[in-house]
This record gives sequence, structure tokens and C-alpha cells, in this order.
Amino acid sequence: EVQLVESGGGLVQPGASLRLSCAASGFTFSNYDMNWVRQAPGKGLEWVSYISSISSTVYYADSVKGRFTISRDNAKNSLYLQMNSPRVEDTAVYYCARAWSSYVDYWGQGTLVTVSS
Amino acid sequence: AIRMTQSPSSFSASTGDRVTITCRASQGISSYLAWYQQKPGQAPKLLIYAASTLQSGVPSRFSGSGSGTDFTLTISSLQSEDFATYYCQQYYSYPLTFGGGTKVEIK
Repeated sequence: EVQLVESGGGLVQPGASLRLSCAASGFTFSNYDMNWVRQAPGKGLEWVSYISSISSTVYYADSVKGRFTISRDNAKNSLYLQMNSPRVEDTAVYYCARAWSSYVDYWGQGTLVTVSS
Repeated sequence: AIRMTQSPSSFSASTGDRVTITCRASQGISSYLAWYQQKPGQAPKLLIYAASTLQSGVPSRFSGSGSGTDFTLTISSLQSEDFATYYCQQYYSYPLTFGGGTKVEIK
């Protein structure tokens, strides 16, 4: 069974840093591209970032470019999102999402990040 | 970025109704379109990819159609467990973009 379990969310002050993690199991992690997708409270889905299976290609939404960094460790079956200089508008549930032909076929349950002073 | 526009944003329906949700892309995306269902407090769930291919395990009352810029999601006979919010998403190019969502409520 495919499982994606996010962790690392919580309350963070604007301008601080936070690192989200996603532990993958139930599939060969190194064979799949991965994404982070977020959802602000009461709002729709917003794609955040993409990383290819061997980390050769990464993409970011304009809203986070230069502040967030996606990475992965295939030996640890883990995906990460380093959030630097978060803003109030980055408050959201962050989902780890497996990509298959670029669409998302499995989602984690999400981790809530609240950016507030 | 490709803009995805869903309509309606919400509506009420009864169990057994046939319902259709539309999604329009701001430029042609061939058939690179997926549909997701999200229930309150849960992660989204993939229903359909490649515009019309049903994901394994998804009931056959769900169907998708369209190509280019105009797409539809149809539920042939609405069941109680189908009351949720539905999102379309294009994966023709990055940045991936989602429609604003359609909330299906109980009449």
C-alpha cells in the first residue's frame, strides 16, 4: 500500500525557517517524481514544487521561487521542502504528492503550516 | 501559466441525480487533464486522468470527457458518498494548475 506521511508542520514566525518532510513507503520511491501541493484554509489546491526521480529537474511556483527548496533522499525514501522566509500567505496544509506522468496519483494526509507572529 | 476555470463553483443536488462539472483551460492541453475528489478534512483523491481514464478502484458512475480546452466530469447517479469538492488539474505543462473547485452539496 502506498503511504506518504508528512511531518514538520507547525507555527512559524514570518521570516524564520521550517523544513517539511515526507516519508514514503509501499512503492519504489526512487522511480517516481514527486510534488508538494498546498491548500490554504478554506481555499483550493495550489501546486508548489516538483522534483524528478533522480533530482535532476526541479520546478517551483512563482509564489515560492527563491524562498523554498525541494529535495529528496532516495536512500531514505524521503522528500523534503525547506521553507525559508515564510510569509503569512504561505499558511496552508502542505501535501506530499506522488507524480505519475505528471498528474498526482497518491497524496499524503498533509501537514499544517501556520505562519504568524 | 495555464489557467483552469471550473463551473459551477458550487451547486446542490439530490441522490440519484446526474451531475456534470465543466473545466476550461486557457489554452489547449490535449488530454492532459485529471480530476480529483476532496472531502472535508481529507486529502484529494484521484478519480480520472488523461481526461477520460478512470483510476483503478473508482466507481464507474464517474466519467470524464473532452480534449483541447473543454472538459467535463459526469457522475451518472449521485450517491451520498459523492458529496464533496471536485478539482480539475492540467498537467500539460509546469506550473501545474488546478481549477478553483466545484462543491457538490446535498439539496
